[in-house]
Amino acid sequence: LAKTTQPISMDSYEGQEVNITCSHNNIATNDYITWYQQFPSQGPRFIIQGYKTKVTNEVASLFIPADRKSSTLSLPRVSLSDTAVYYCLVEGRGGGNKLTFGTGTQLKVEL
Amino acid sequence: NAGVTQTPKFQVLKTGQSMTLQCAQDMNHNSMYWYRQDPGMGLRLIYYSASEGTTDKGEVPNGYNVSRLNKREFSLRLESAAPSQTSVYFCASSFGTSGFDEQYFGPGTRLTVT
Repeated sequence: LAKTTQPISMDSYEGQEVNITCSHNNIATNDYITWYQQFPSQGPRFIIQGYKTKVTNEVASLFIPADRKSSTLSLPRVSLSDTAVYYCLVEGRGGGNKLTFGTGTQLKVEL
Repeated sequence: NAGVTQTPKFQVLKTGQSMTLQCAQDMNHNSMYWYRQDPGMGLRLIYYSASEGTTDKGEVPNGYNVSRLNKREFSLRLESAAPSQTSVYFCASSFGTSGFDEQYFGPGTRLTVT
């Protein structure tokens, strides 16, 4: 049973805000939600992590509702360089080293 | 800091040949990982090492062996390569020993087995 479900692909235009939603109905109490970004021919790169409510850093915001069964990665004012695959992961602190990647969301940003 | 480095960047092997993929990190991280990524797929964990001298199997360990040579280096060996091992291999490291911890990835090694 997949731990997370996210859209396969999304399209946007430069300057728009992009919201990618991830569903994780079976999230456990000690699980955190983490997002990684991967450009073609590169390894994934950590974007943001959160447990509940809202987390913001210099590149993105992460919104987590009270029931924690979903989360939304928000990318403000995207540019062409934000075209990448975005992975939503749910992993527990102290849960071992396994990082489970799904197929991710391919975001394509156009002019 | 170079971060996580991997060698080689590209490799073509014939079925049955062996090779070792090298990985090194200069961030004084405790944990290191090897993943493979097949076309259109997410990454799958092959092996990981939570500390120097320890290694554990991940999701897809068959056909691979690993060595945590020291705190900096973690190598992945294919003893008898098979076409099913054609993939992009990523090495990663993290300071902590949990999947929760931010992982830093290398640039990858693209391996083709014919």
